[in-house]
Amino acid sequence: SQQGEEDPQALSIQEGENATMNCSYKTSINNLQWYRQNSGRGLVHLILIRSNEREKHSGRLRVTLDTSKKSSSLLITASRAADTASYFCATVSTSGTYKYIFGTGTRLKVLA
Amino acid sequence: ETGVTQSPTHLIKTRGQQVTLRCSSQSGHNTVSWYQQALGQGPQFIFQYYREEENGRGNFPPRFSGLQFPNYSSELNVNALELDDSALYLCASSAATAGQGYEQYFGPGTRLTVT
Repeated sequence: SQQGEEDPQALSIQEGENATMNCSYKTSINNLQWYRQNSGRGLVHLILIRSNEREKHSGRLRVTLDTSKKSSSLLITASRAADTASYFCATVSTSGTYKYIFGTGTRLKVLA
Repeated sequence: ETGVTQSPTHLIKTRGQQVTLRCSSQSGHNTVSWYQQALGQGPQFIFQYYREEENGRGNFPPRFSGLQFPNYSSELNVNALELDDSALYLCASSAATAGQGYEQYFGPGTRLTVT
């Protein structure tokens, strides 16, 4: 079963706009990661935020984490057509052995 | 490019057969995880190997098994293939140490079709 649930499932925006996608999860985590996947190919790691962090930036990406609400958001600013992809959050549990649990993904389409 | 390679790229098998998928980790990485991704879904964690030992397993039956070799390359074996095993199989390597979960570097995947 998948722990993370992304919202929305699909998002279509114009180039230059910001895109926000959200992720909710169920259990305590060590960290949360966001990945991008283009057209059913391998995933690319975007950013990792640890459970004791609240916000993190990387280029045009901003990630927030609210452990009390068990949720995270990914903001992509000034989107480009090349940002068109599926975005997944992945949580790493604190159970002792490492399980990366991926969400269901948000399909982002950026229109030129 | 992540430096993680997988072979083969595509594979077609018949129900009941066995399959072996291979992964070569990024240099310096001691941990490899395998995922199954059905069309339109997120990756489902199959298992993880850390220094040649299984270090975590998802909800997959025993007919899914794996190996990690001293050079940190890895295999995923699936016995008695079923139609529902048709999916993209991804491996991901990371430089994990005890007590931490690290970012993963994914290979391009193997597309398995079971007929």
